[in-house]
Amino acid sequence: DTEVTQTPKHLVMGMTNKKSLKCEQHMGHRAMYWYKQKAKKPPELMFVYSYEKLSINESVPSRFSPECPNSSLLNLHLHALQPEDSALYLCASSQGTSGSYNEQFFGPGTRLTVL
Amino acid sequence: AQKITQTQPGMFVQEKEAVTLDCTYDTSDPSYGLFWYKQPSSGEMIFLIYQGSYDQQNATEGRYSLNFQKARKSANLVISASQLGDSAMYFCAMREAFSGYSTLTFGKGTMLLVSP
Repeated sequence: DTEVTQTPKHLVMGMTNKKSLKCEQHMGHRAMYWYKQKAKKPPELMFVYSYEKLSINESVPSRFSPECPNSSLLNLHLHALQPEDSALYLCASSQGTSGSYNEQFFGPGTRLTVL
Repeated sequence: AQKITQTQPGMFVQEKEAVTLDCTYDTSDPSYGLFWYKQPSSGEMIFLIYQGSYDQQNATEGRYSLNFQKARKSANLVISASQLGDSAMYFCAMREAFSGYSTLTFGKGTMLLVSP
């Protein structure tokens, strides 16, 4: 199974809502990533988990809260978001985080709209 | 300075023709990897091809080949015999091996449109 799955595909939420994005992989990868991508722009790295521990937080506002319950799952909890947070949120995984190879496998993304 | 530069915001090609998407990079790491990803309008990032800095030969994957010119720091993607399904955004990305937790740095992308 060489697939990264993400749910939901689409999410519309108000600024006072609390929601979560879910990402799952069964490739035995030990590194997982969250990216944010605005329209016609490249993905921007948000968080990196390595062996279920948060390794990188790219100065992301606290209204985004990542969680890695186990090696296959990665969640992104959303609270009090702003309209400018509307974007495509991509999850990815790789075998590890070191070395120049380590291809990242991406999920299909969640399109988030904040009203 | 940008680490990955894609100078072509958009490219047009006719079906069955070949097309080259440009990518130049900047790094001082001796060990690095270069990736090309395709992103259709559906949003998923699809891995196409990889070139390692120590690889002697240019990478090829089916209709995709990577024209790697190390001295010029360029890693252009060549798509032979374009198909309508190749219409998408294409991102060049680099991974550096010795920068701690090595992560991907993406270029701004090139939108490719294939016409019948």
